[in-house]
Amino acid sequence: EVKLVESGGGLVQPGGSLRLSCAASGFTFDNFWMHWVRQAPGKGLMWVSRIKGDGGMTEYADSVKGRFTISRDNAKNTLYLQMNSLRAEDTAVYFCTRSSTMGYWGHGTLVTVSS
Amino acid sequence: DVVLTQSPLSLPVTLGQPASVPCRSSQSLVHSDGNTYLNWFQQRPGQSPRRLIYMVSNRDSGVPDRFSGSGSGTVFTLNISRVEAEDAAVYYCMQGTHRPLTFGGGTKVEIK
Repeated sequence: EVKLVESGGGLVQPGGSLRLSCAASGFTFDNFWMHWVRQAPGKGLMWVSRIKGDGGMTEYADSVKGRFTISRDNAKNTLYLQMNSLRAEDTAVYFCTRSSTMGYWGHGTLVTVSS
Repeated sequence: DVVLTQSPLSLPVTLGQPASVPCRSSQSLVHSDGNTYLNWFQQRPGQSPRRLIYMVSNRDSGVPDRFSGSGSGTVFTLNISRVEAEDAAVYYCMQGTHRPLTFGGGTKVEIK
């Protein structure tokens, strides 16, 4: 069974940093692109970033480029999102999801950026 | 970026009646490989999104057959043949043909 479990969310001040993790199981992790998608409170879904199976290619939404870094540890079957220079508008539930077809999602982890 | 427009924002439906959720793209979603990467997701309150349909019309395992997807090019539709109470949710279309991936704004299906 495919499982994706996010962690690392919490309350952080504007300008602060946070690292999210997504533990994957039930599939061959390094065979798949992995994505982060976020959802601000009461709003729709927004794609954030993606990383190739071998970690050799990454892409970002313009709104997070230069502030967020996606990475993965294939030995640990874990996806990461390092978020720096956080802003109030980054407040959202962050989901990890497998491949661009997004057939599998985690439960999400809430990031709140507020003073 | 490709803009996916979902209108209306809210769709009141009667139990047992059909419903259609439209999604319009700002450009063709036909990929250079010939496939069209348009998916539909259901999100119930407090839950993660769940994929219902991939590549326009392929129903995911476990999805009731009252759900179907259709369309081509820039116009797509999620159809529910007979709405049940559990179908009350927000439905999102998403395109994976062009980068960056983009989602529609969602249509909330509400039971009258």
